[in-house]
Amino acid sequence: DARVTQTPRHKVTEMGQEVTMRCQPILGHNTVFWYRQTMMQGLELLAYFRNRAPLDDSGMPKDRFSAEMPDATLATLKIQPSEPRDSAVYFCASGSSGGIYEQYFGPGTRLTVT
Amino acid sequence: QKEVEQNSGPLSVPEGAIASLNCTYSDRVSQSFFWYRQYSGKSPELIMSIYSNGDKEDGRFTAQLNKASQYVSLLIRDSQPSDSATYLCAVVTGGFKTIFGAGTRLFVKA
Repeated sequence: DARVTQTPRHKVTEMGQEVTMRCQPILGHNTVFWYRQTMMQGLELLAYFRNRAPLDDSGMPKDRFSAEMPDATLATLKIQPSEPRDSAVYFCASGSSGGIYEQYFGPGTRLTVT
Repeated sequence: QKEVEQNSGPLSVPEGAIASLNCTYSDRVSQSFFWYRQYSGKSPELIMSIYSNGDKEDGRFTAQLNKASQYVSLLIRDSQPSDSATYLCAVVTGGFKTIFGAGTRLFVKA
């Protein structure tokens, strides 16, 4: 049963702390997306990668957010320092670049920054 | 103007009826269009994709695309209470960049 996995599922941290979220894409998928979802803003694209190379990270606050793919089986999203306004659900999704652009979402990381 | 617009709803339909969900987009060069279903507290789940003008049917779901009008719709026939969820329209605007609408909440009354 191929699926995207994300860790941790829940994270509560204090303002100013570093937060790292991890994602394992579906085996064989070469495109990875990071989204943030809030009630006010909906689902926002933060960054995406193809074949581990970043294609677009214009949706991310550059001063505190960073996204990387150290290898084909791991994508990370880091926030340093975290702020209360970063509280949201962060989703990772993966897809194949076979020309169809379908994305499959992980269960999400619910982040609360106090 | 938002790049992808949906009526936020809620849309309420009786069980067995047809639910019609609509979406408009602003980027004329968009080529790929998707509908995702999201249950409360869960992640979005892909239910339909459509790439060319016309209708595409999959079970009780029909996606409709009109590129000239920049309009995408999703019809759910024989709606069931289990269809109650938020439906997200997604448009790929260039490369792999995907823009999601805010979603339409659907309630199917038993």
